[in-house]
Amino acid sequence: AQTVTQSQPEMSVQEAETVTLSCTYDTSESDYYLFWYKQPPSRQMILVIRQEAYKQQNATENRFSVNFQKAAKSFSLKISDSQLGDAAMYFCAYRSARYGGGADGLTFGKGTHLIIQP
Amino acid sequence: KAGVTQTPRYLIKTRGQQVTLSCSPISGHRSVSWYQQTPGQGLQFLFEYFSETQRNKGNFPGRFSGRQFSNSRSEMNVSTLELGDSALYLCASSSRGATYTEAFFGQGTRLTVV
Repeated sequence: AQTVTQSQPEMSVQEAETVTLSCTYDTSESDYYLFWYKQPPSRQMILVIRQEAYKQQNATENRFSVNFQKAAKSFSLKISDSQLGDAAMYFCAYRSARYGGGADGLTFGKGTHLIIQP
Repeated sequence: KAGVTQTPRYLIKTRGQQVTLSCSPISGHRSVSWYQQTPGQGLQFLFEYFSETQRNKGNFPGRFSGRQFSNSRSEMNVSTLELGDSALYLCASSSRGATYTEAFFGQGTRLTVV
């Protein structure tokens, strides 16, 4: 079974600064998807960014970018120019790309609570 | 385009009762999956449905069941509720054609068992 580890339970950053959230995963598969989801106090999970394992290029979405290191099984999220609205729980998630998606759906890490200091 | 809709948003049940939660996916999405979120265990996969068939199932007891209708709407049922079933239940939909796309989540149903 796959596992996802987020080693930072909580991170704090000053508004307008840059912060990096860490995620490592363990899998024996070669083809999979990785995601970062954001969960604000409203509790709705919002997709931040996705990465296909076969793509070497790191995904970027506006102020959000990832550093995907497949060999190291590392998938960190960088948030540039942090804004107050970025405050939330951030979850790293893994999903197999096998047909049927594997038996485990999305496997989530425990999350990182991101605090933005004004 | 309307998002994923979960009803009800909040629910309080007594231990031993059963409960049914509903999820309406994004129009055109045929895959619906369910997750349980608790402070202790985090987010855990319950099951996934595609075209009315359960495709995948997480490691939960048989008290947890679900189904999907021909219009892709899904329900999950928990029988003989236990205090530990108190959680936020999240539903997600995806198009799940030849290539998997990301899952879009609803706002969840907060279940409290007393």
